[in-house]
Amino acid sequence: GDSVTQMEGPVTLSEEAFLTINCTYTATGYPSLFWYVQYPGEGLQLLLKATKADDKGSNKGFEATYRKETTSFHLEKGSVQVSDSAVYFCALSRTGSARQLTFGSGTQLTVLP
Amino acid sequence: EADIYQTPRYLVIGTGKKITLECSQTMGHDKMYWYQQDPGMELHLIHYSYGVNSTEKGDLSSESTVSRIRTEHFPLTLESARPSHTSQYLCASSEDGRGYEQYFGPGTRLTVT
Repeated sequence: GDSVTQMEGPVTLSEEAFLTINCTYTATGYPSLFWYVQYPGEGLQLLLKATKADDKGSNKGFEATYRKETTSFHLEKGSVQVSDSAVYFCALSRTGSARQLTFGSGTQLTVLP
Repeated sequence: EADIYQTPRYLVIGTGKKITLECSQTMGHDKMYWYQQDPGMELHLIHYSYGVNSTEKGDLSSESTVSRIRTEHFPLTLESARPSHTSQYLCASSEDGRGYEQYFGPGTRLTVT
């Protein structure tokens, strides 16, 4: 079945550091890929998405590229801020999948000033 | 901005009480979902619905029940709350199709004493 594997956390960085959160997936066909962010006490918000191979999703300085050859969708940001502290979830969506989204286990990011 | 609402945001209730968690969306989405989020952050799908009068159980076995009498409304009910039901409950909705993201409500944090 479909699955998403995320880099385990927690991740702690200093402000302005470079961020990478690894995400790999297993799925048949051609899934769409997503990154969601959850700030403390809130629900999940879509951060970015990519719907086909080699697409790059980007938002708020975050980027991720859909790599079919390595079945990966790693999240990157060149310079993190304290306000980026949150939990990040990688997810996939596959046509014909009843549940539509399969989530990774989440990665807690803390950015220190 | 997504228009999906959950009430109450926080609920503390005693063992054996019946509770209903409300979820409403104004986007006209056919698909709706309930997730349970444990303290380790992982999301578990407990119920989903394709549309009115359609409900299915998700990955995680849950003693809760759901109903979908109106497109915009997807309440979750626990007939007899127990301490093991203490968790964060997240509601989401989406359009059909693999590229369409899920929109999440702010969540209900339930504590059963």
